[in-house]
Amino acid sequence: AQSVTQLGSHVSVSEGALVLLRCNYSSSVPPYLFWYVQYPNQGLQLLLKYTTGATLVKGINGFEAEFKKSETSFHLTKPSAHMSDAAEYFCAVSSNSGYALNFGKGTSLLVTP
Amino acid sequence: ETGVTQSPTHLIKTRGQQVTLRCSSQSGHNTVSWYQQALGQGPQFIFQYYREEENGRGNFPPRFSGLQFPNYSSELNVNALELDDSALYLCASSWGEGRNTEAFFGQGTRLTVV
Repeated sequence: AQSVTQLGSHVSVSEGALVLLRCNYSSSVPPYLFWYVQYPNQGLQLLLKYTTGATLVKGINGFEAEFKKSETSFHLTKPSAHMSDAAEYFCAVSSNSGYALNFGKGTSLLVTP
Repeated sequence: ETGVTQSPTHLIKTRGQQVTLRCSSQSGHNTVSWYQQALGQGPQFIFQYYREEENGRGNFPPRFSGLQFPNYSSELNVNALELDDSALYLCASSWGEGRNTEAFFGQGTRLTVV
């Protein structure tokens, strides 16, 4: 079964610092990987996705992620954190069948002034 | 273009009762999925409906059931509510059912079972 593990349930960075949120996946087939963001009392918003092709994927709000097959990783980065980036971030992998997303437990990002 | 809307936004039910949650999919989408997100956890897949048929189900008991209507809106029904059913229930709509299909999520319904 496809699954993801997010390392670090809480990450704190200073405004302007690099954001790095870690995600490792397990998949028996070439994975389709996603990062979603959830603001308080909101649903999930897609930041970016990797399906095939270029391994460096650019998303919204300045975020990007790199698919590394050798490391089974799909870490999310942003060069400079903004206060508005404070939220919960979820990594997900598409199931074999395609009808489900398997989510990690999430990483809460705190941005301090 | 309207997004995914869910109703109600919050509700409180008593253990043993039944509840129905509703979801209107984004315009043009024919697939609806439901997820349960317990506090501090990631969303867990409940089931998916494609063209009014259930075409996938997660590890949830039969007391979780659903419907999809001809206009592709959907309902999630939960019978015999348990305390552990307290969670945020998320609906997501998409076009088609492929592995790389982008799912658009609603804001969720917060269910509290007391």
